[in-house]
Amino acid sequence: KAGVTQTPRYLIKTRGQQVTLSCSPISGHRSVSWYQQTPGQGLQFLFEYFSETQRNKGNFPGRFSGRQFSNSRSEMNVSTLELGDSALYLCASSLPPQGDGGVNTEAFFGQGTRLTVV
Amino acid sequence: AQSVAQPEDQVNVAEGNPLTVKCTYSVSGNPYLFWYVQYPNRGLQFLLKYITGDNLVKGSYGFEAEFNKSQTSFHLKKPSALVSDSALYFCAVRDRFNAGNNRKLIWGLGTSLAVNP
Repeated sequence: KAGVTQTPRYLIKTRGQQVTLSCSPISGHRSVSWYQQTPGQGLQFLFEYFSETQRNKGNFPGRFSGRQFSNSRSEMNVSTLELGDSALYLCASSLPPQGDGGVNTEAFFGQGTRLTVV
Repeated sequence: AQSVAQPEDQVNVAEGNPLTVKCTYSVSGNPYLFWYVQYPNRGLQFLLKYITGDNLVKGSYGFEAEFNKSQTSFHLKKPSALVSDSALYFCAVRDRFNAGNNRKLIWGLGTSLAVNP
């Protein structure tokens, strides 16, 4: 069973540009979450999608957006890049909600996209 | 507010010795608790979780964790550390009564484990 696939693995962008990152979840998983990981801040939750709808959103500016397609693949977009956006962006997929809302399900992570803004 | 604390940024242990990585949490209700491990340049891998039942949970790679409700802790343990266990470990919690639109995980900042040969 293939794992979570994130593309590209590495990306270098210039300040002010925009970037799109892609995530393909594990087959059968319909929930996709995105995280930003930096050494000082740890994992910061960006947003979660389920059935093409955003279900949860973290405390990030509107420059950060995402979407999910009917095949559960997800993309996140960052516009007007800033130096502080340099980070490892992780995507995680999980099974669809069961019973009490799926809160006991673990997430499966991709290897991440390392974004460097110069 | 819900939070997770991993009080140690780094833990050093000799190979063959027992290891403990600490985690304490604060949630309004009863928690679901998770441990993940991150190897260099990799994504996070699920290790184990506490949902209900036995307070001692066994997971991957010989790791286990003990849920202590009175101390609001969920420390990760392994009886005999390996050099290959050296990695970054994350504790995460989710309030079991937060479903649907509030089911996001709350993460600790991580603990770097170094196992010395």
